[in-house]
Amino acid sequence: GQQVMQIPQYQHVQEGEDFTTYCNSSTTLSNIQWYKQRPGGHPVFLIQLVKSGEVKKQKRLTFQFGEAKKNSSLHITATQTTDVGTYFCAGVTSGTYKYIFGTGTRLKVLA
Amino acid sequence: NAGVTQTPKFQVLKTGQSMTLQCAQDMNHNSMYWYRQDPGMGLRLIYYSASEGTTDKGEVPNGYNVSRLNKREFSLRLESAAPSQTSVYFCASSWAVGPEKLFFGSGTQLSVL
Repeated sequence: GQQVMQIPQYQHVQEGEDFTTYCNSSTTLSNIQWYKQRPGGHPVFLIQLVKSGEVKKQKRLTFQFGEAKKNSSLHITATQTTDVGTYFCAGVTSGTYKYIFGTGTRLKVLA
Repeated sequence: NAGVTQTPKFQVLKTGQSMTLQCAQDMNHNSMYWYRQDPGMGLRLIYYSASEGTTDKGEVPNGYNVSRLNKREFSLRLESAAPSQTSVYFCASSWAVGPEKLFFGSGTQLSVL
């Protein structure tokens, strides 16, 4: 079945450093979404990418969707303590209704 | 505006007991989902309901049943709980299936002893 893997599983950074998490799917995706989950909280939607090669920015966050629509990345510039949490990608395969979540990357930011 | 409401927030069961997790949304969404979250495994889809009156299996449906009671409510039932079902359960909803963002409830922490 479809699998979505994320790397790294954990990342500790000093405040002000950059951070990147990568998402790889075993199958071609029709779209991909990114969510953030604060410790003890629930996932909150960040963004959705639909087009091959698409790049979207939200302030310090940059999201990319690969040309083959099988991978994606989230890059945070100059991390802040408010960025702490687990970041998940979720992919949908064309013709299905199932969002398959990646394994997540847990980010810790050291002040 | 409450969004997605799950009850209970915490539950401890003994092996073999049954229980129902409740979920309600007030956003007039058509689609609803149940996920479980285990450490290191992300969120895995248990069941979903594309629209009122329909339900379908997700990645890990064994040991669970669901009911889409009406457009607002989607319940998850464990008929005979097992320790492997210890997890955090999240209900989510979206306007429709497909490229729509998911809105999650606050979760239910379930422990099966």
